[in-house]
Amino acid sequence: AQTVTQSQPEMSVQEAETVTLSCTYDTSESDYYLFWYKQPPSRQMILVIRQEAYKQQNATENRFSVNFQKAAKSFSLKISDSQLGDAAMYFCAYRGGANSKLTFGKGITLSVRP
Amino acid sequence: KAGVTQTPRYLIKTRGQQVTLSCSPISGHRSVSWYQQTPGQGLQFLFEYFSETQRNKGNFPGRFSGRQFSNSRSEMNVSTLELGDSALYLCASSMDMVNYGYTFGSGTRLTVV
Repeated sequence: AQTVTQSQPEMSVQEAETVTLSCTYDTSESDYYLFWYKQPPSRQMILVIRQEAYKQQNATENRFSVNFQKAAKSFSLKISDSQLGDAAMYFCAYRGGANSKLTFGKGITLSVRP
Repeated sequence: KAGVTQTPRYLIKTRGQQVTLSCSPISGHRSVSWYQQTPGQGLQFLFEYFSETQRNKGNFPGRFSGRQFSNSRSEMNVSTLELGDSALYLCASSMDMVNYGYTFGSGTRLTVV
């Protein structure tokens, strides 16, 4: 079974600084998708960034980028120029091929210091 | 474009009762998934429906069931409620089951007393 591990329960970053959130996963599949979701206090999960395993190029969405290391099964999220609105819980998630479920890590609470 | 709509947002039920939660996906989305979120267990997958068929099921007891209608709207039902069923129930929709990310609703907060 696939597992997703987020070993850091909490992190803090100064406004305007850069922070990296770690995620590792375990799978025997070669084709899969990885996601980072943000859950603010409003509870709604918001898709931050998505990476297809067959693409070697790391995904980027504005201030958010990933470091995808397929061999190491690592998928970290880098947030540049952190803003107060980035404070939230962040979940790393994995999805395999067709008909497979989305598996989430335990999440990490990110706080942003003004 | 309207997002994923979950109703009700909050619900308080008594042990032993049953409850039905509703999810309306984004127009054009045919896949609907349900998740249970608790502080202790995190996000756990309940089931996923695609074109009215259950395509995947998580490790929950038979008290948890769901269905999807022809308009892609989905309901989940929990019978004989237990205190441990108190959680945030999240619904997510997607265009298909493979290539796209999921869009989540704001969830239904269920409290069992």
